Order: sequence, then C-alpha cells, then structure tokens
Amino acid sequence: KQEVTQIPAALSVPEGENLVLNCSFTDSAIYNLQWFRQDPGKGLTSLLLIQSSQREQTSGRLNASLDKSSGRSTLYIAASQPGDSATYLCAVSGSGGSNYKLTFGKGTLLTVNP
Amino acid sequence: DAGVIQSPRHEVTEMGQEVTLRCKPISGHDYLFWYRQTMMRGLELLIYFNNNVPIDDSGMPEDRFSAKMPNASFSTLKIQPSEPRDSAVYFCASSWTANYGYTFGSGTRLTVV
Repeated sequence: KQEVTQIPAALSVPEGENLVLNCSFTDSAIYNLQWFRQDPGKGLTSLLLIQSSQREQTSGRLNASLDKSSGRSTLYIAASQPGDSATYLCAVSGSGGSNYKLTFGKGTLLTVNP
Repeated sequence: DAGVIQSPRHEVTEMGQEVTLRCKPISGHDYLFWYRQTMMRGLELLIYFNNNVPIDDSGMPEDRFSAKMPNASFSTLKIQPSEPRDSAVYFCASSWTANYGYTFGSGTRLTVV
C-alpha cells in the first residue's frame, strides 16, 4: 500500500527566505506526482505536476523535483512571501489501472512571517 | 466558470440523521471524485465516477455511505445513518483526465454530534 510522508509537518520562516519542503513515498511505481496548496477553509489548488519520466518542473518561484527510484520529491520555494502561507500537500498517483488514485501526504503547514 | 460547487459549506447534524452532500462539477469534466479529509488520516479517496458511472468505490468506508451521479452536472454523497466519526471535511473534485488537472471544490465541513 502506498504511503506518502511529508517533512516537516510545520515550518515557519521569515519573509524572503528560500525553503524546501520534502515528500517521500514508499512505492516507486507511480504515474505522476503533484504538489497542491490548501488555504484555510478552501479546497486544493494544483501547483505543479511531474510525470514519472520527468525530473523536475518549474512555475515562477516554485520548483519541484522528483527522484522516483529513491521515492523522494522536494518543493523549493524561492524568496518566500507572506502570501505563500498555506498547507502544501504532495500526492502520488498509482501506475497501471490505478493511476487515477491519488495518495496524499498529510501536508506541511508553512507560515511566512513579514 | 464558477469552478466546482459544493453545498452546503457547513453541516451540523445529530447522530443517526441522514446527511446529503452535493457537488456540481465543472462542465465538460468527465471525471468526478469524492475525498474526505481528517486530521488523523489526511485526504482519502472515497469514490470516483467517469461519465457518470461509478468506477471505484473501494474507499467508501461502510454501507452507510452511498454516492450517485444522476447526470453530468450533479453528484451526491449520502451518509445514513451518520455517526460522530464521520465528522470531516468532504471534498468534491472534477477533471478532464483521470490523474491530473483536478479542480477541487471548497469542501463541506460535516460535524456529527
């Protein structure tokens, strides 16, 4: 059974700092990996998608990497801003017939202090 | 497009009562997913539909839970009878693919007392 772990569970940084969020998964047979953002009382917003054949994806100040063989992904946020404060969730989809099934980590609660 | 619309936003009910959660997916999205989020277990897939047909309901916790999608623009998740351990945030999501491009609704926070 796939398990996704995110470390740290919570992180507080001063504005402007570069930071890294970590995600690990136990079964390397994945179809893709996604990073989501969740604001309090809101749904999830997709940030980045990495297909299993890719190593990284970039969007603005965000960069996500994937090392499928070791079961790890990182989300790098450059020059953090107070508006980046949210919970960040990592999710992997299974391979083969279960590629629709996303398994989520429990998230990292990020607070960026002005 | 207004996105995925869920109702109600909050629901407080007494144990034993029937609860119905509603979802309107984005027009043109063929896939609809129901997820449940709790502090203990995080986000879990309950059931998903493709073209209004339930494909995988293995995540539905018990027979007390049922989901329907009578047409492409509406789905319901029903709990009957409800129990305190059903308290959670229930999310609906839709997509034009099975495994990415999801749009999530804002969720329904259910409290069973």
